Amino acid sequence: ETGVTQTPRHLVMGMTNKKSLKCEQHLGHNAMYWYKQSAKKPLELMFVYNFKEQTENNSVPSRFSPECPNSSHLFLHLHTLQPEDSALYLCASSLALPGTSGSLVVETQYFGPGTRLLVL
Amino acid sequence: GQQLNQSPQSMFIQEGEDVSMNCTSSSIFNTWLWYKQEPGEGPVLLIALYKAGELTSNGRLTAQFGITRKDSFLNISASIPSDVGIYFCAGRYSGAGSYQLTFGKGTKLSVIP
Repeated sequence: ETGVTQTPRHLVMGMTNKKSLKCEQHLGHNAMYWYKQSAKKPLELMFVYNFKEQTENNSVPSRFSPECPNSSHLFLHLHTLQPEDSALYLCASSLALPGTSGSLVVETQYFGPGTRLLVL
Repeated sequence: GQQLNQSPQSMFIQEGEDVSMNCTSSSIFNTWLWYKQEPGEGPVLLIALYKAGELTSNGRLTAQFGITRKDSFLNISASIPSDVGIYFCAGRYSGAGSYQLTFGKGTKLSVIP
């Protein structure tokens, strides 16, 4: 248990569906992240939020829409996805953004267990 | 963008053997991290390295930050069955203004009892 929870753990959706992934942390962290993990590819950073403000959008298609209502919750809204979007979506949080403090403790990212998404 | 080459892609070893894996990059990184991911879970940080030449241990794990700042290795001594998983290296590029970690593709470790 890292203190970061994700729901649902598994999701199957059609290309016309709308669904949302939820991430929650009660670690008191200020930064939250969405990553995509596909087979045989490196982890890909999708979005970064710091104090509820989006600081990075890594050229992610608009069919993925993040929302961060507060520092403890992060959502990823999915709409008209493609089969190639099938992957494990990981949420992470950290007290501070990487490279901003020089402190491992402050910058360590804690990952949730992920949501395994299958788009049919 | 920056890329990390992680090798080997997979390893099958006998319990008790030592393991070595490495990451290389064409770019200079100022932070190297090593994560382990077990099935059905997210990655968990094992070791972090901040200085060139730094050698850090965490139990049976030892990692080093290469002098050139373009590589890092992870050693696991006397492997046990619970070492099974995928090990990822990650680095933070020295370029200003980036909050991104670049990840390797992972080394899948299998330990035969």
